[in-house]
Amino acid sequence: EDQVTQSPEALRLQEGESSSLNCSYTVSGLRGLFWYRQDPGKGPEFLFTLYSAGEEKEKERLKATLTKKESFLHITAPKPEDSATYLCAVQPPSPSYNTDKLIFGTGTRLQVFP
Amino acid sequence: ETGVTQTPRHLVMGMTNKKSLKCEQHLGHNAMYWYKQSAKKPLELMFVYSLEERVENNSVPSRFSPECPNSSHLFLHLHTLQPEDSALYLCASSQGSTGGIGNSPLHFGNGTRLTVT
Repeated sequence: EDQVTQSPEALRLQEGESSSLNCSYTVSGLRGLFWYRQDPGKGPEFLFTLYSAGEEKEKERLKATLTKKESFLHITAPKPEDSATYLCAVQPPSPSYNTDKLIFGTGTRLQVFP
Repeated sequence: ETGVTQTPRHLVMGMTNKKSLKCEQHLGHNAMYWYKQSAKKPLELMFVYSLEERVENNSVPSRFSPECPNSSHLFLHLHTLQPEDSALYLCASSQGSTGGIGNSPLHFGNGTRLTVT
């Protein structure tokens, strides 16, 4: 069964303390892996798409990497405004290529304290 | 107005009520989705519409009834709900492919927080 597991469930960091979030998956023939950020009371906001092992993408203090079994979201020198829940989703092979069906993890809730 | 807009933001309804959730996207996308988000659970796909035609229905109970009158609007009609249906209901849109590999990201609205009493 296709599955996505995120760890840790929650993470508390001091401002400036770098760390990584993990997303492991058991999907054959991955078409894409997505990272989203979700603030309380809001919908998920798209961050990155990764397509193949070895790929990396960066945005400000965030860098996402992908291997054949997992993805990491590295947060360098985080600030309090980086506090949010980070969601990972994978796109398995689909018999229909007309829609985008994603399998989501349960997220990592990140809190960054000043 | 830009992005994906959902109304209402909050809804409290009794188990015998009938209500509707509304979603509108201003991104020119051709696929729209309803997701359910419950505490400590992954986002759960409920319905997918591509080019206004329903292409996915993940065994959702019939008390949830979607409607997609055009590519910009999506509704979720609710009737005789149960307390366990209380959750955040998220609408999303994407630019689905028309034959290639569809890797376009989902764009979400801010959801409707539904409470069933």
